[in-house]
This record gives sequence, structure tokens and C-alpha cells, in this order.
Amino acid sequence: AQSVTQPDIHITVSEGASLELRCNYSYGATPYLFWYVQSPGQGLQLLLKYFSGDTLVQGIKGFEAEFKRSQSSFNLMKPSVHWSDAAEYFCAVGTGTGGSYIPTFGRGTSLIVHP
Amino acid sequence: GAGVSQTPSNKVTEKGKYVELRCDPISGHTALYWYRQSLGQGPEFLIYFQGTGAADDSGLPNDRFFAVRPEGSVSTLKIQRTERGDSAVYLCASKLAPYEQYFGPGTRLTVT
Repeated sequence: AQSVTQPDIHITVSEGASLELRCNYSYGATPYLFWYVQSPGQGLQLLLKYFSGDTLVQGIKGFEAEFKRSQSSFNLMKPSVHWSDAAEYFCAVGTGTGGSYIPTFGRGTSLIVHP
Repeated sequence: GAGVSQTPSNKVTEKGKYVELRCDPISGHTALYWYRQSLGQGPEFLIYFQGTGAADDSGLPNDRFFAVRPEGSVSTLKIQRTERGDSAVYLCASKLAPYEQYFGPGTRLTVT
């Protein structure tokens, strides 16, 4: 069975600083990988996804992620954090075909942004 | 356009009571998912509908949990004989394109 580990429960950065949120997965085949963001009282919003091809994936809101098969990682990055980026971030690995895709989520990383 | 909506946004019930949680997916989305998110955890899959039928209900924790989607749009998650451990945020998501799930804001269920 697949699993996702987000080793950092909380990350604190200063506004304008760079950000990297870690995600490691366990899955026997080529994974489908996702990052979601959840703001308080809101549903999860998809930031980006990786299926195949270029291992550096661009997403919305200036985020990007890099798939590293050798490290079983899919870390989320942003060069300059804005105060509005403060939220909970979830990494997920998906299995199955597009019609029966069932994601497994990590426990999340809470991003705190200092002014 | 309108996103996924869930009602109620909050539900407080007493242990042993029955509750229903409703999800209105995005119009035209054929697939619908239910998840449960406990405090400090990521969403946990419960059940997935393709059209009117439950394509995968392997995540339902026990037979107190049941979900329906009779007309292939609105879905209701039903919990019988609620327990305090059922307290969580219940999320619904719908999708049309492969892998593109759109989540609702969730229903926060508190069992006292």
C-alpha cells in the first residue's frame, strides 16, 4: 500500500524568504503526486500535480515541486513567500486509473509566515 | 461557476444519534468522493461514487457509515449511532477530468 510522509508538522518562514516543504512517498510503481493547500475554513485546493515527464512541475500561486525518484520525494518550493501563503499544505500520492483514482494524503505541514 | 457545497457547515449531535451530511458536487461532475479529516491529520478516503453507484467503499470504517447518491449528483453521508470518535471534518470532492478533484469546505461534526 502507498503512504506519504510529511516530516515537518510546522514550518515558520519570514515573508519574502524561500520555502521548501518536504514530502516522501512509498509506492511500488510510478506514482501520481499532488500538493494541495487548505486555508482555514476552506476546502483543499490543488496546487500542482506530477504524472510523468519533466520532474520540475509548475503550479499555481508561484509554487513548484520537484520529483526525485531516487529519493522518493516530491518537495514543494516557492522562491518568495507571501503572508497569504500561510495555510496547511498536504502532499498526496494517487493510485489507480483516472476513473478510480484514490489519493492517500500526508498529515500536512502548517506554514506560518512572519512579517 | 459554483463549487462543491456541503451542508451543514457545522453539526453538533449527541452520542448515539443519527446524522446526515450533504454534498452538492459541481454540476456535471460524475465522480464524487467522501473523506474524513481528523484534527492534525490529512484527509482519509471513505467512499467514491461513479455516477449513482459506489465504485469503492473500502474506506468506510464500519457499518454505521453509509452513503448514497441516488440521482448521480447530490450525495448524503449517513452515520448511525454516532460515537465521540466520529468527530471530524467530513470533506466531499467531485471531479470530471482524471485526477482533478475539487473539494468542498467540509462539515465539522462534533459528537458530544
